[in-house]
Amino acid sequence: GEEVAQTPKHLVRGEGQKAKLYCAPIKGHSYVFWYQQVLKNEFKFLISFQNENVFDETGMPKERFSAKCLPNSPCSLEIQATKLEDSAVYFCASSHRVPGDNEQFFGPGTRLTVL
Amino acid sequence: AQSVTQLGSHVSVSEGALVLLRCNYSSSVPPYLFWYVQYPNQGLQLLLKYTTGATLVKGINGFEAEFKKSETSFHLTKPSAHMSDAAEYFCAVSFIPSKIIFGSGTRLSIRP
Repeated sequence: GEEVAQTPKHLVRGEGQKAKLYCAPIKGHSYVFWYQQVLKNEFKFLISFQNENVFDETGMPKERFSAKCLPNSPCSLEIQATKLEDSAVYFCASSHRVPGDNEQFFGPGTRLTVL
Repeated sequence: AQSVTQLGSHVSVSEGALVLLRCNYSSSVPPYLFWYVQYPNQGLQLLLKYTTGATLVKGINGFEAEFKKSETSFHLTKPSAHMSDAAEYFCAVSFIPSKIIFGSGTRLSIRP
C-alpha cells in the first residue's frame, strides 16, 4: 500500500494483560521503525528492522517488549504483562534506503490504554 | 551523541503574523533534518526535510526552514500564520538508516 497501516486504532488492556499491535509498512520499504509517544509530546524510539532482521533494538525494554517483522506478514509489537506506564500511542514508520534520503513515513498510531 | 532541542514548548502568534519555531541540534556527523507536524489525535506528517544541497528548504503549507551549520540550527518559519496551523511541531534529526531522534515538540497556537 501507499500508506503505513496500523491496527488496532485503540487498545485497552488491564494491567498484566498482553497487548499486540500490528503495522503494515509501505510496499517496497525495507525498514520499519517503532516509536512510543507518551504525554502527547515525547517520542521514544523502540526498535527498527531491516526486512525481517532486527536492525537497532537499543530502545526496547527487553523484559516485556518484543517485536517481529516476518515475510508476508504485518510487523508486530507485543507487550507482555502490560503496566500502567505502557499507556501511550505507538507509531510505526517505514522507509526505503535511498542514498541521501531517510524520510520515514508514519502510520496513524495505536493508542494503548492500560487500566 | 545526537540530540535535538526545541526552544519554547508553546508559541502563540496572531493570525497573519510570522511564525518562528526554533530548533537546534547536536551531532558529530552531518545529519538529516526534518520538521513534522502533528494535529490532535493524529499521526505525524512531514512538513519538510533537509538532506543535502540548498540550505533553505521549502515545505508544505507555506513553511520553510534554513539549515545553518555554523549555528547548528534548523528553525521553521512561515510568513503569515493561519488558524489551521495550530498543531504540535516536532524537529527531528536522523542518520541513514537509523532511528529519528525527535525534539520535545512545540505547540503552536494561533490567536484570532
